[in-house]
Amino acid sequence: DGGITQSPKYLFRKEGQNVTLSCEQNLNHDAMYWYRQDPGQGLRLIYYSQIVNDFQKGDIAEGYSVSREKKESFPLTVTSAQKNPTAFYLCASRRGAGVYGYTFGSGTRLTVV
Amino acid sequence: QQQVKQSPQSLIVQKGGISIINCAYENTAFDYFPWYQQFPGKGPALLIAIRPDVSEKKEGRFTISFNKSAKQFSLHIMDSQPGDSATYFCAASSAGGFKTIFGAGTRLFVKA
Repeated sequence: DGGITQSPKYLFRKEGQNVTLSCEQNLNHDAMYWYRQDPGQGLRLIYYSQIVNDFQKGDIAEGYSVSREKKESFPLTVTSAQKNPTAFYLCASRRGAGVYGYTFGSGTRLTVV
Repeated sequence: QQQVKQSPQSLIVQKGGISIINCAYENTAFDYFPWYQQFPGKGPALLIAIRPDVSEKKEGRFTISFNKSAKQFSLHIMDSQPGDSATYFCAASSAGGFKTIFGAGTRLFVKA
């Protein structure tokens, strides 16, 4: 079955450390996205990528970095520059522009300890 | 112009009742309006979506009503069940755009 796999499901990070969240899809979708969700809040766009080797900043990109070396993979690195990284991180993909819905992964819950 | 305003923030409905969630947008370039359902600790899942060339779309107990002139759309859940208790997000995007604008979400609780 096609879908998006996010790993790990739970992640604990010490202050000052960088961590990388994995996102892999086998849907053959061109576009991939990273969203952040805080408790009781909506979805805020961090980064998105329309094609391999290309990505754009979203609304809250500061303190995050991404890469898109393969169509299937879009890892997100939460750097030490991100002041408040504790959140639920969601990866999504979409077939292309506009009139298609997202397929979301099951999320990674990151906690800074 | 890029916002999608969603209301109410939370909603409590009796089992068997109708749940109604409303959204409004400003950007007339939007032409795809999906709704997502999210259970705690899970990613959102696409529930139903509509294009502006129709005023209503129904899938099972879920119906989207769309009012193009008012720039509003709503989700109706008929015969609401406790299993429908979740957070619902409306969203909007345009045909040529790669970004989707999400509403802030509505937490629905259906009382048994």
